[in-house]
Amino acid sequence: NAGVTQTPKFQVLKTGQSMTLQCAQDMNHEYMSWYRQDPGMGLRLIHYSVGAGITDQGEVPNGYNVSRSTTEDFPLRLLSAAPSQTSVYFCASSHRDGGKETQYFGPGTRLLVL
Amino acid sequence: GENVEQHPSTLSVQEGDSAVIKCTYSDSASNYFPWYKQELGKRPQLIIDIRSNVGEKKDQRIAVTLNKTAKHFSLHITETQPEDSAVYFCAASQGNTPLVFGKGTRLSVIA
Repeated sequence: NAGVTQTPKFQVLKTGQSMTLQCAQDMNHEYMSWYRQDPGMGLRLIHYSVGAGITDQGEVPNGYNVSRSTTEDFPLRLLSAAPSQTSVYFCASSHRDGGKETQYFGPGTRLLVL
Repeated sequence: GENVEQHPSTLSVQEGDSAVIKCTYSDSASNYFPWYKQELGKRPQLIIDIRSNVGEKKDQRIAVTLNKTAKHFSLHITETQPEDSAVYFCAASQGNTPLVFGKGTRLSVIA
């Protein structure tokens, strides 16, 4: 199993450009999430999905869109990139069982917005 | 919603000493408390977790304790080694809600 994969690994954007960060998992997990990691801020939830066709907002959703058309894929779209979106983005998938949840993170995408 | 506070933000210990990282949570309905370790340039990975029906859990040199009354939980690492150097994150959830993470603790183990 590849686990959780993300592409690209690194991206530079200009302010106002749009792009999609790809995320895929092959563990048949129902839950998928997007986090951003900034120095001193921990892991902040952007959007999450509890299954195909179902998404919801996290703590910092503004400027981002998501969709979940399949169990495997959960792309994150930046509509109009801003310097404040410079960050490391992690996708994660998980399975909840008896109140326990293990998040499996992807390798991350480092985004720089100029 | 849930709020998780984590202290300290940085921690330096001598190799062989113990390290303790503390977290407090705000929502008394939270019942699941995992800890993740993130090595430099790598992805976070689960190292240990505890549910609210248990007060303490150990896994070799790592232990987690939970005080539901005070709404805080702690990570204890004994006999620290250089490979324990990393950023550690605590988190909390109600089991059917998204995890809320603390801001992390950067642990440095000095040889």
